[in-house]
Amino acid sequence: KQEVTQIPAALSVPEGENLVLNCSFTDSAIYNLQWFRQDPGKGLTSLLLIQSSQREQTSGRLNASLDKSSGRSTLYIAASQPGDSATYLCAVHAGGTSYGKLTFGQGTILTVHP
Amino acid sequence: GAGVSQTPSNKVTEKGKYVELRCDPISGHTALYWYRQSLGQGPEFLIYFQGTGAADDSGLPNDRFFAVRPEGSVSTLKIQRTERGDSAVYLCASSLSPGNTIYFGEGSWLTVV
Repeated sequence: KQEVTQIPAALSVPEGENLVLNCSFTDSAIYNLQWFRQDPGKGLTSLLLIQSSQREQTSGRLNASLDKSSGRSTLYIAASQPGDSATYLCAVHAGGTSYGKLTFGQGTILTVHP
Repeated sequence: GAGVSQTPSNKVTEKGKYVELRCDPISGHTALYWYRQSLGQGPEFLIYFQGTGAADDSGLPNDRFFAVRPEGSVSTLKIQRTERGDSAVYLCASSLSPGNTIYFGEGSWLTVV
């Protein structure tokens, strides 16, 4: 059974810092990996999707990397802003016959203070 | 529509009652997913549809939960004989096809009292 773990559970940083969120998964037979952001009381917003054959994806100040063999992904946020405050969720798409199914980590709660 | 739409946004029901939650996916998306999220947890998979058929329903917790997508677009999640433990946010999502980027709705907040 796939298990996804996110470290740290919570992170508080001053504005302007670069930061790294970590995600690990136990079964490397994944189809791809997706990072989401969730604001309080809201649904999930997709940030980046990395295919299993890719090493990284970039969108603006965000960069996500994937090391499938070691079961790890990181989300790098450059020059953090208070508006980045949210819960960040990592999710892996199952491989095999159920490749539409996402398994989520518990999330990292990020607070960026001015 | 522009995004995934879910109704109702909030539902309070009494224990033992029947509840229906509706999801309208992004137009043209063939894959539709239901997840459940409890406070402080990541979403948990319930079921996903490819077209009209349930491709994987392994996440449904028991036979009180059922979902349909009769015309391959709108889906309804049905919960019979609700229990207090069913209280959670029920999230619907869709994607162009399985394995592509998944887009979530705002969720339906269910409270069973």
